[in-house]
Amino acid sequence: EVQLVESGGGLVQPGGSLRLSCAASGFTFSNYAMHWVRQAPGKGLEHVSSIASDGGSPYSVNSVKGRFTISRDNYKNTLYLQMGSLRAEDMAVYYCAREGYYAWGSPRYYYMDVWGKGTTVTVSS
Amino acid sequence: QTVVTQEPSFSVSPGGTVTLTCALSSGSVSTSYYPSWYQQTPGQAPRTLIYSTNIRSSGVPDRFSGSILGNKAALTITGAQADDESDYYCGLYMGSGIHWVFGGGTKLTVL
Repeated sequence: EVQLVESGGGLVQPGGSLRLSCAASGFTFSNYAMHWVRQAPGKGLEHVSSIASDGGSPYSVNSVKGRFTISRDNYKNTLYLQMGSLRAEDMAVYYCAREGYYAWGSPRYYYMDVWGKGTTVTVSS
Repeated sequence: QTVVTQEPSFSVSPGGTVTLTCALSSGSVSTSYYPSWYQQTPGQAPRTLIYSTNIRSSGVPDRFSGSILGNKAALTITGAQADDESDYYCGLYMGSGIHWVFGGGTKLTVL
């Protein structure tokens, strides 16, 4: 069964740090680009960060650039999000998502096809 | 700033048909933005319904369909059922600068 399981969320003070992890199973992790998407309480989805299958082309949305770093370990089948200088507006459920498969010679459709259940980050003093 | 707009709420009768839309603050939505649609019920993770405008994700019933209507992406639910009552989000790929943007979501009520 294809599965993504996030962990590492919790309560952190403003200005603090957290590292989120996303453990992948049931598929060849190293073949897929991966994403972090967050959802603030009562709000919509927001794309936060993405990384290519080989760990290249890391991208982060402007609001977290310089504070969050996405990375992956293809040997451990795990995606990470290192979060620093946390602010109240970073409080959200953070979802790990797999991008639909693409490879050299096959089309890329730019969508998320598998989602984890999410991990909650609370920023409060 | 790129803003993707969806109807905040919509209502449909059981068995009825409803079309939700996804618009860009500046310009038209086209297939080049690879519109995708996601369904989310409270407390749950999103579920992928449609990608690349009109391709149904695995296991999604054929009562869900995607299209471009005028200058917007659209999700049509034909023969709405009670368990279609959810929040629906569109996603657009904006290119190498902005990458992915989601709409604000539409809360669909079936009654």
